[in-house]
Amino acid sequence: DGGITQSPKYLFRKEGQNVTLSCEQNLNHDAMYWYRQDPGQGLRLIYYSQIVNDFQKGDIAEGYSVSREKKESFPLTVTSAQKNPTAFYLCASSQIWDRVNSEAFFGQGTRLTVV
Amino acid sequence: DAKTTQPNSMESNEEEPVHLPCNHSTISGTDYIHWYRQLPSQGPEYVIHGLTSNVNNRMASLAIAEDRKSSTLILHRATLRDAAVYYCILINQGGKLIFGQGTELSVKP
Repeated sequence: DGGITQSPKYLFRKEGQNVTLSCEQNLNHDAMYWYRQDPGQGLRLIYYSQIVNDFQKGDIAEGYSVSREKKESFPLTVTSAQKNPTAFYLCASSQIWDRVNSEAFFGQGTRLTVV
Repeated sequence: DAKTTQPNSMESNEEEPVHLPCNHSTISGTDYIHWYRQLPSQGPEYVIHGLTSNVNNRMASLAIAEDRKSSTLILHRATLRDAAVYYCILINQGGKLIFGQGTELSVKP
């Protein structure tokens, strides 16, 4: 079955450590996105990528980094520079160049807790 | 980026229709209107999208105003499983997805 997979579902890290969240899709989508969601809040865009080897900052990119070396993978690194990293992280993909069939698909999320 | 405005919350009774409004007065001619919903502790799921004409699918209907400055998501018969946060977003060429706060829909039995 085609889909988008995030791992792990829960992640605990000590303060000051970098951590990488995985996002893989087998939908052959060009675009991939990372969002952060805090309790009771909407989704805020961290980074997005429209094509391999290219990505753009979203609204809250500070303290995060990404890479897009393969079409199917878009890992997010939460660095020690991120002041409030504890949150629910969501990855999404879409086929943006086909706007008629451009619905986005989301992973089930990774809940990161930094202690 | 064009913004959308939605009520923070709405209530509905089970098996009654629900009309969820969205204002997008700064929409451009090439922006598609998308709706997603999110259940607690899950990723959002796609509901419906359209450009100018009203759209129907198995989940819902989308009514788009003639001037495209607003739209309404219609759930024809709300069930308890429809209780979720509903997001209305605009997607332009290039596909940057920007979410607002959404509308939290509660459904009473």
